Amino acid sequence: AQTVTQSQPEMSVQEAETVTLSCTYDTSENNYYLFWYKQPPSRQMILVIRQEAYKQQNATENRFSVNFQKAAKSFSLKISDSQLGDTAMYFCAFNQGAQKLVFGQGTRLTINP
Amino acid sequence: EAGVTQSPTHLIKTRGQQATLRCSPISGHTSVYWYQQALGLGLQFLLWYDEGEERNRGNFPPRFSGRQFPNYSSELNVNALELEDSALYLCASSLYLSPTDTQYFGPGTRLTVL
Repeated sequence: AQTVTQSQPEMSVQEAETVTLSCTYDTSENNYYLFWYKQPPSRQMILVIRQEAYKQQNATENRFSVNFQKAAKSFSLKISDSQLGDTAMYFCAFNQGAQKLVFGQGTRLTINP
Repeated sequence: EAGVTQSPTHLIKTRGQQATLRCSPISGHTSVYWYQQALGLGLQFLLWYDEGEERNRGNFPPRFSGRQFPNYSSELNVNALELEDSALYLCASSLYLSPTDTQYFGPGTRLTVL
């Protein structure tokens, strides 16, 4: 069975700092997609970034970037110049087909002023 | 463009009752997914509907069921409610062009079973 592990239950940084959230996954497949979602206190799950496993280049979206290490099955999220609005639960998720997203347990990120 | 919408926002039921949750996908999306986010259990995949058919099901008992209507909206029904069914139920939608299309989520329905 596919599993996703987020080893950091909670993290806290000061505004404007850079923070990296870790995620590892387990699969025997070669083609799959990885996602980071954020869930602020409003509960709305928002897509942050996605990475196709067949692409070697790491995905970036403005202040958000990933470090995708396929051999190590690692998919970390880096948030640069963190802002108060980045405070949320962050979930790493994996989809290798059959439309079923497998989520990690989440990392609660707090950005302090 | 409107996102995924869910109703109601909150739902309070007693043990043994039935709950019905509703979801409208993003315009143009044909696939709808349901997830359960229970405290301490994380996000668990429940059901996937596409073109009116159930395509995949998570590890949940048969009292969790649903359907998808011709306009692609969906209902999740939970029969014989148990206390542990209390959770946030999230609906997501996607285009179905490949088995790994990005899913976009709604705001959720908070179900409380007393």
